[in-house]
Amino acid sequence: ELKVEQNPLFLSMQEGKNYTIYCNYSTTSDRLYWYRQDPGKSLESLFVLLSNGAVKQEGRLMASLDTKARLSTLHITAAVHDLSATYFCAVVTYGGATNKLIFGTGTLLAVQP
Amino acid sequence: KAGVTQTPRYLIKTRGQQVTLSCSPISGHRSVSWYQQTPGQGLQFLFEYFSETQRNKGNFPGRFSGRQFSNSRSEMNVSTLELGDSALYLCASSPGAAVNYGYTFGSGTRLTVV
Repeated sequence: ELKVEQNPLFLSMQEGKNYTIYCNYSTTSDRLYWYRQDPGKSLESLFVLLSNGAVKQEGRLMASLDTKARLSTLHITAAVHDLSATYFCAVVTYGGATNKLIFGTGTLLAVQP
Repeated sequence: KAGVTQTPRYLIKTRGQQVTLSCSPISGHRSVSWYQQTPGQGLQFLFEYFSETQRNKGNFPGRFSGRQFSNSRSEMNVSTLELGDSALYLCASSPGAAVNYGYTFGSGTRLTVV
């Protein structure tokens, strides 16, 4: 069974600082997603990473995927308060014609002024 | 373009009752997946439907069931509710069987069992 681990689980950072969230998964997959969730809200899609070496950037967030290391990173540059949320990575498992997303535990990011 | 619509947004039920949740995917999307989110267990996969067929099922008891209609709308049913079923239930739609498209999530239904 595929397992997806994120670290850290909680991240308190100051505005203007940089940091990285890590997402490790246990079996082969070449599809990884990053989502953001605000308190009491649904999941907002941030990035879809579809191949080894994929790198996507949007504003202060940049995500990358290394399928050989089974690792994805979400890098935050010069954090601002608006980035405070919980971030999830999710990896696709394949089962013949079926597929499902397995989510990581989530990283609660709190950006302090 | 309308997003994924889940109804109702909030529900309060009593233990032992049953509940039905509804999800209307994005127009043209044929795949609907359901997830349960709780503080203790995180986001867990319930099941996925594609063209009215259940293609995959997570590790939940038989009290959790679902179906998909010909218009791709999906319903999820939980019978004999337990306190532990209190959760945010999220529905996600995708264009088809391929995972390249990604998944779009609805706003969720927050179920409270008392």
